[in-house]
Amino acid sequence: DTGVSQDPRHKITKRGQNVTFRCDPISEHNRLYWYRQTLGQGPEFLTYFQNEAQLEKSRLLSDRFSAERPKGSFSTLEIQRTEQGDSAMYLCASSLDANQPQHFGDGTRLSIL
Amino acid sequence: QQQVKQSPQSLIVQKGGISIINCAYENTAFDYFPWYQQFPGKGPALLIAIRPDVSEKKEGRFTISFNKSAKQFSLHIMDSQPGDSATYFCAASRITGGGNKLTFGTGTQLKVEL
Repeated sequence: DTGVSQDPRHKITKRGQNVTFRCDPISEHNRLYWYRQTLGQGPEFLTYFQNEAQLEKSRLLSDRFSAERPKGSFSTLEIQRTEQGDSAMYLCASSLDANQPQHFGDGTRLSIL
Repeated sequence: QQQVKQSPQSLIVQKGGISIINCAYENTAFDYFPWYQQFPGKGPALLIAIRPDVSEKKEGRFTISFNKSAKQFSLHIMDSQPGDSATYFCAASRITGGGNKLTFGTGTQLKVEL
């Protein structure tokens, strides 16, 4: 049973560029969550999916952010026109269903130059 | 609005001692309270979790104490070991009708010294 996998682990890009991150949840997990963690802080909720349906987006998720989960398997998080404030660790978590614990991947660390 | 407050920010404990981390929440709709452990460069790993229908849960060296009336819960690490040195996060969520979106505390950096 492999854990949650995230790719890439690190991304360095220039301000204004678009970036896309991928998350592969644990097999059979219906729920998939995205969180953002800045240095010295706890993760903050961004959005979550039940299978392929995106059920909720945080106010933190501006119009430059979009997430998808086609076919209810892997998920992608895209940030358009990146800004300095987008620098953070982006974490993905999955759970078997709504009542089960969330298991996190090791995240994608985004650095904006 | 910080819905989950965690203290202390950092903690140094001698090997074999007891580490205690405290959290307080505001939203009475929360019905799930997990603790996560995070090492540098890694994602948070679930340690132990509790629902509000019990006041205490123990798994190995880790114990959660829960006080519903005070809206507080704490993590106790017995016989602390150097390998326990990490950042610990409490969290809270609403499973019933709330999507189980986790709200995290700000973390406690634990260092266990020999």
